[in-house]
Amino acid sequence: AQSVAQPEDQVNVAEGNPLTVKCTYSVSGNPYLFWYVQYPNRGLQFLLKYITGDNLVKGSYGFEAEFNKSQTSFHLKKPSALVSDSALYFCAVRESGTALIFGKGTTLSVSS
Amino acid sequence: DAGITQSPRHKVTETGTPVTLRCHQTENHRYMYWYRQDPGHGLRLIHYSYGVKDTDKGEVSDGYSVSRSKTEDFLLTLESATSSQTSVYFCAISESTTQETQYFGPGTRLLVL
Repeated sequence: AQSVAQPEDQVNVAEGNPLTVKCTYSVSGNPYLFWYVQYPNRGLQFLLKYITGDNLVKGSYGFEAEFNKSQTSFHLKKPSALVSDSALYFCAVRESGTALIFGKGTTLSVSS
Repeated sequence: DAGITQSPRHKVTETGTPVTLRCHQTENHRYMYWYRQDPGHGLRLIHYSYGVKDTDKGEVSDGYSVSRSKTEDFLLTLESATSSQTSVYFCAISESTTQETQYFGPGTRLLVL
């Protein structure tokens, strides 16, 4: 069965510092991996996805993620955090079919 | 929110009453989905549709039904609402499956008393 784990409920980082939000996955075949962000009282916004090819994926708002097949990870990163990056972040995986399997989410808090 | 609207945005209802949530898209995407979001669970798929009148169950479909009579509209019905169905409901759309990105609507916050 497909599954996604986001091991940290909350990540705290100071503005200007690099940030990492962790995600690991479990699938039996090739994974399709996604990151979404949710601001308070809003829907989910798509940030980036890995389908195939280059392991480093660049997305919206300066975010990037690195696909690591051996470690079954897809961590979200940003070189310099902004206070406005504070939000709830979801990792999701799809192996086949239609359903996205979501992690439980990680709250990112960026302090000024 | 990618041409997706949901109505109502907020609803309070009583246990045992029927409730229908509507999702409307202007993107002409083939696939539409209903998810629920609960603390500690992320988002979980309730039902999805792969075309007009073509629907299938997701992970948490018990107590829910759906209908899609037009490409642009996807309805989620709680036949007899229960307190366990208090949640935030999101509609999503995609052009196809597997590799395609799903885009989400703004959500409907439902409280069942």
